[in-house]
Amino acid sequence: EVQLLESGGGLVQPGGSLRVSCAASGFTFRNFAMSWVRQGPGKGLEWVSTLSGGGDRTYYSDSVKGRFTISRDNSKNTLSLQMNSLRAEDTAIYFCAKVGCYGNSDFGTCMDVWGKGTTVTVSS
Amino acid sequence: EIVLTQSPATLSLSPGEGAALSCRASQSVNSYLAWYQQKPGQAPRLLIYDASNRATGIPPRFSGSGSGTDFTLTISSLEPEDSAVYYCQQRTNWPPGLFTFGPGTKVDIK
Repeated sequence: EVQLLESGGGLVQPGGSLRVSCAASGFTFRNFAMSWVRQGPGKGLEWVSTLSGGGDRTYYSDSVKGRFTISRDNSKNTLSLQMNSLRAEDTAIYFCAKVGCYGNSDFGTCMDVWGKGTTVTVSS
Repeated sequence: EIVLTQSPATLSLSPGEGAALSCRASQSVNSYLAWYQQKPGQAPRLLIYDASNRATGIPPRFSGSGSGTDFTLTISSLEPEDSAVYYCQQRTNWPPGLFTFGPGTKVDIK
């Protein structure tokens, strides 16, 4: 069974740092790009970042560029998101998602598997 | 940056009725358009990808259509469990790793 399990969420002060992780199982992790998507309290989904399967191509939303870093360890089937200079508006559930749907593109056009999410709260 | 607009914001319908949810892009996204269903307290679930392809295990009452800038998710005969928020999502043609979600349409089944 394909599974994604996030961890590492918690309470952090504004300006602080936090690292969240995602453990993947049930598929060949290194073959797929992976993404982070977040959802603020009572809000919609917001794409945060995507990393290619080999780890050589990174993409970020403008709202986190320069503050967040996505990375992966293909030997451990783990995806991570290092979050620095955190702000109150970064408070959200952070979902890890597998990029899929390779029918029309060699990169993938959708997110076909999602974890349950980990909650990050930025507050003093 | 490509912006997605969804309408209506909320839809209230009865079981057995049909629903048409709209997603419009600020510029062409080719067919790189997906739809997700999210119920309270749950992760999103992929319904449709590349505008019109149903994901694995999705019932045939869900269908997608459109290309370019205008897309529609159609639910042919609503069931009580279809109460949820529905999001569209696009991926840029280039660079390939940039994604955007629409603001969502909430569907209530009366």
